[in-house]
Amino acid sequence: DAGITQSPRHKVTETGTPVTLRCHQTENHRYMYWYRQDPGHGLRLIHYSYGVKDTDKGEVSDGYSVSRSKTEDFLLTLESATSSQTSVYFCAISEQGNTDTQYFGPGTRLTVL
Amino acid sequence: QKEVEQDPGPLSVPEGAIVSLNCTYSNSAFQYFMWYRQYSRKGPELLMYTYSSGNKEDGRFTAQVDKSSKYISLFIRDSQPSDSATYLCASLGGGGNKLTFGTGTQLKVEL
Repeated sequence: DAGITQSPRHKVTETGTPVTLRCHQTENHRYMYWYRQDPGHGLRLIHYSYGVKDTDKGEVSDGYSVSRSKTEDFLLTLESATSSQTSVYFCAISEQGNTDTQYFGPGTRLTVL
Repeated sequence: QKEVEQDPGPLSVPEGAIVSLNCTYSNSAFQYFMWYRQYSRKGPELLMYTYSSGNKEDGRFTAQVDKSSKYISLFIRDSQPSDSATYLCASLGGGGNKLTFGTGTQLKVEL
């Protein structure tokens, strides 16, 4: 998985609680991404980062926030989890962004009850 | 309409068959096209990467892009049970760095 780890790998939580997912890379890549994958929708971009403290929204960013204080770590926070956020979350990295290839982590399976 | 459309399958073929997986896209600005393979409960892994129109071959895999018809194909020759996975097409371009994915086609290669 190209030096990418995600934690936790599985989580069950209750509606209304905050949840933070962590992505850690050892490749020193500049760009990091958070996606969610749902049946019938494929992979959809939530947020991405193009450098430390530099982030931008993707197509499904409502209800999510991100932070990147170090090159190697990209955090995704669900401020108040809802059942519609039950999904598999993938982190990805790329060296240059734009036309560069993205490499994916192993995923976090989140269930919101 | 989604920018990248892909038949979800499932597609079931016998071992040794030639497999054809296809996507269509609507955004003329897309210049880069990728195929990812995703095994069950794993992250997607890059399989093929092509720029603009044409063919690219890597072992048993051939990626083909026809920009005139906005059609992306992946061919797998001599398919193996280990090829059983979901295949995702993705496109990139128009000055952005955001990949647009199809929903994936589930492939099963049977003995």
